[in-house]
Amino acid sequence: EVQLVESGGGLVQPGGSLRLSCAASGFTFSSYWMHWVRQAPGKGLVWVSRINTDGRSTSYADSVKGRFTISRDNAKNTLYLQMNSLRAEDTAVYYCAAVRAYFYYMDVWGNGTTVTVSS
Amino acid sequence: QSALTQPASVSGSPGQSITISCSGTSSDIGVYNYVSWYQQHPGKAPKLMIYDVTNRPSGISNRFSGSKSGNTASLTISGLQAEDEADYYCSSYTSTNTRVFGGGTKLTVL
Repeated sequence: EVQLVESGGGLVQPGGSLRLSCAASGFTFSSYWMHWVRQAPGKGLVWVSRINTDGRSTSYADSVKGRFTISRDNAKNTLYLQMNSLRAEDTAVYYCAAVRAYFYYMDVWGNGTTVTVSS
Repeated sequence: QSALTQPASVSGSPGQSITISCSGTSSDIGVYNYVSWYQQHPGKAPKLMIYDVTNRPSGISNRFSGSKSGNTASLTISGLQAEDEADYYCSSYTSTNTRVFGGGTKLTVL
């Protein structure tokens, strides 16, 4: 079964850090670009970051640039998002999503992990 | 990285057709045929419904169709059914090799 499972969410104070993980199974992880997408409570989907198949190319939304770092371990079939200097506005459900190399749509999604930034 | 523009809500009766628009720019929708649409039910993960403007993934009903003209893409759902009630999001590849989503449209089946 093709599957993405996020973990690592939780409650963190403003200014704190958190690392999210996304474990992939049922498909060739190393052949997929990976993305993080977040959704604040009651709000829409917002693209956060992406990484290419070998991890050498990354991009970020302006709102997280310099604070978040995306990475991957193809040997462990796992995607990561290191989040530093967290703000209240980073509170959201964070989804990982997979895009096959040379394609442009997210056809595999995880169920999300919730991050709450609050004192 | 401004969000694509979608209507906040649309509604229709069972059996009717509705269309959701998604307006972008010459840096995303206007220049690439890489628009996708996602359906999201409350508390659930998004689900791919349309990719590359007009294509349906395997298993998606042919009641769902997509199109594009200039900087605007559209999703049409024909023969509305109660289970179509959900939030719908458009997304596009961008000239900076990133992605942008629309603000989302809540579809109500009356």
